[in-house]
Amino acid sequence: LAKTTQPISMDSYEGQEVNITCSHNNIATNDYITWYQQFPSQGPRFIIQGYKTKVTNEVASLFIPADRKSSTLSLPRVSLSDTAVYYCLVGDIRRSSASKIIFGSGTRLSIRP
Amino acid sequence: ETGVTQSPTHLIKTRGQQVTLRCSSQSGHNTVSWYQQALGQGPQFIFQYYREEENGRGNFPPRFSGLQFPNYSSELNVNALELDDSALYLCASSLPPEGGGGRFETQYFGPGTRLLVL
Repeated sequence: LAKTTQPISMDSYEGQEVNITCSHNNIATNDYITWYQQFPSQGPRFIIQGYKTKVTNEVASLFIPADRKSSTLSLPRVSLSDTAVYYCLVGDIRRSSASKIIFGSGTRLSIRP
Repeated sequence: ETGVTQSPTHLIKTRGQQVTLRCSSQSGHNTVSWYQQALGQGPQFIFQYYREEENGRGNFPPRFSGLQFPNYSSELNVNALELDDSALYLCASSLPPEGGGGRFETQYFGPGTRLLVL
């Protein structure tokens, strides 16, 4: 089972780029990496997902090195509303091979004015 | 809004009681997963249902059980409640790519049910 390790907390300022790294040394071949954002008393919200190399969408980028033992979520030009807990999830939830899905402990990101 | 709804939003029970939590999936999603999230921790995977059958289970005892109905809505049942069962219970729906095409299957989470066991 791929266990993930993330920094417990990070601080940044509005307008800055924030990079959060997740370690997952035991990632399996069929596992892929998903990042979620969670506000207090709400369900996690999907941010981005990838298997290898780089993925970019309208809100973030995900960098995955060739060995896939880590991944980095990059949030460009953060704002106060980006203050939340960010989770790195490694697992294979496909119907054909559902396995135990492991959320990390999360990174509490605080953005200051 | 993800289109995933859960009921009730809050619930208070006492030790030894039984509880049923409900989840309505996003339209067209045939897979639902349940998670337990204790205060200050990440969600812990309980189990997943696909087309009314259990399709994977985390490290939870048998007193945690589930159902998925033909309309893909789902229930989580917990028997013999313990104090440590107090948590936010989340369900997430997804739609696996048919024919195995593509690896990515995004889960969309509901707002959760906050359960307090006294």
